[in-house]
Amino acid sequence: DADVTQTPRNRITKTGKRIMLECSQTKGHDRMYWYRQDPGLGLRLIYYSFDVKDINKGEISDGYSVSRQAQAKFSLSLESAIPNQTALYFCATSDFTDTGELFFGEGSRLTVL
Amino acid sequence: AQKVTQAQTEISVVEKEDVTLDCVYETRDTTYYLFWYKQPPSGELVFLIRRNSFDEQNEISGRYSWNFQKSTSSFNFTITASQVVDSAVYFCALTGGFKTIFGAGTRLFVKA
Repeated sequence: DADVTQTPRNRITKTGKRIMLECSQTKGHDRMYWYRQDPGLGLRLIYYSFDVKDINKGEISDGYSVSRQAQAKFSLSLESAIPNQTALYFCATSDFTDTGELFFGEGSRLTVL
Repeated sequence: AQKVTQAQTEISVVEKEDVTLDCVYETRDTTYYLFWYKQPPSGELVFLIRRNSFDEQNEISGRYSWNFQKSTSSFNFTITASQVVDSAVYFCALTGGFKTIFGAGTRLFVKA
């Protein structure tokens, strides 16, 4: 089983719908992240959390919210999806040592029609 | 502000050619880490290498090598004798101040 698991892996939805992407990890890491990947733009940080009580906005947090339900779980929500949120979303974790290595989930491909 | 620039959007080579992927970064941090990740067509992100800002030694791993030069703020990646399986998007990334930022990626096509 993967150390960082994202569900769903693929989702097609309509404009205005609420969507939640879930991430769970078995690596025991405190730090968790949500990134968005768009062609030609690389990965951009949406939100990050360094522990259960800590939530921080990244570069592109508008239109998104997150919930850190437990050390192992970090969910990303789109309250009212719009077409330009169509992208590949990655959850990642890292340990506390600041070396920065990220451990990624397999990605969730979201299409908003 | 931190920034990572991968100026090459796409590169196409023929198998067995050597290819270098460029990465230039900007940061005001004195301690930082640089990374390369590979994203094959299947979509997952694969960690290739990490370098800290105090270690400018070049590294070689099989057909892969990395050249880190602080004087030019560059961390370039060379694949020697490229193979079709090297076809992927490659991302350079910088970690400083608890956050990791990525370059836009370079898509490498290796033709048989």
